[in-house]
Amino acid sequence: QKEVEQNSGPLSVPEGAIASLNCTYSDRGSQSFFWYRQYSGKSPELIMSIYSNGDKEDGRFTAQLNKASQYVSLLIRDSQPSDSATYLCAVNWSSYKLIFGSGTRLLVRP
Amino acid sequence: DAEITQSPRHKITETGRQVTLACHQTWNHNNMFWYRQDLGHGLRLIHYSYGVHDTNKGEVSDGYSVSRSNTEDLPLTLESAASSQTSVYFCASSEPSMGAGYNEQFFGPGTRLTVL
Repeated sequence: QKEVEQNSGPLSVPEGAIASLNCTYSDRGSQSFFWYRQYSGKSPELIMSIYSNGDKEDGRFTAQLNKASQYVSLLIRDSQPSDSATYLCAVNWSSYKLIFGSGTRLLVRP
Repeated sequence: DAEITQSPRHKITETGRQVTLACHQTWNHNNMFWYRQDLGHGLRLIHYSYGVHDTNKGEVSDGYSVSRSNTEDLPLTLESAASSQTSVYFCASSEPSMGAGYNEQFFGPGTRLTVL
């Protein structure tokens, strides 16, 4: 059974802090990893993709991948109240299909 | 701008009725997917298609069917709606040209379906 695990949260951080979201996956053969942001009542929006071990930065977002530990994380620097959302981790598991975690709810306190 | 649209955005139906949810994308993507999202279960794959006339079952396909007659559309049909199919349904698409390991999927706005 291929699985993607995330802490459901909520993760509460003050405005301006770094939010750290974590995800583990079970399939060692996974090649690509994605973070989606989903606001309440809206559809998932792709914010980061990562394919190689290490860090990938895009603005205030940094994705980190460690394939040996089967671990992928998302750091959000200078968190803003507008970052409050559910963050979904997704991992490719077969051909073009993705398997999603249940998401971590992030609350950024003003 | 290219986009994915879904219709209707909200639907209320009765148990036993046939329901079709539409998904239309103008990205010209070959890959299209249908998911349902329920509290506690995240996004679960219902059906997917890698091109015209290609359809495949996902992890929760019972009670659902799809057909792909052109690149732009992948309608999802609930043959006989059940209360357990009350959910939010999302359509997504991706472009396979970069290879199977690169699979950025883009989502439509969703359809909220209630089966009474």
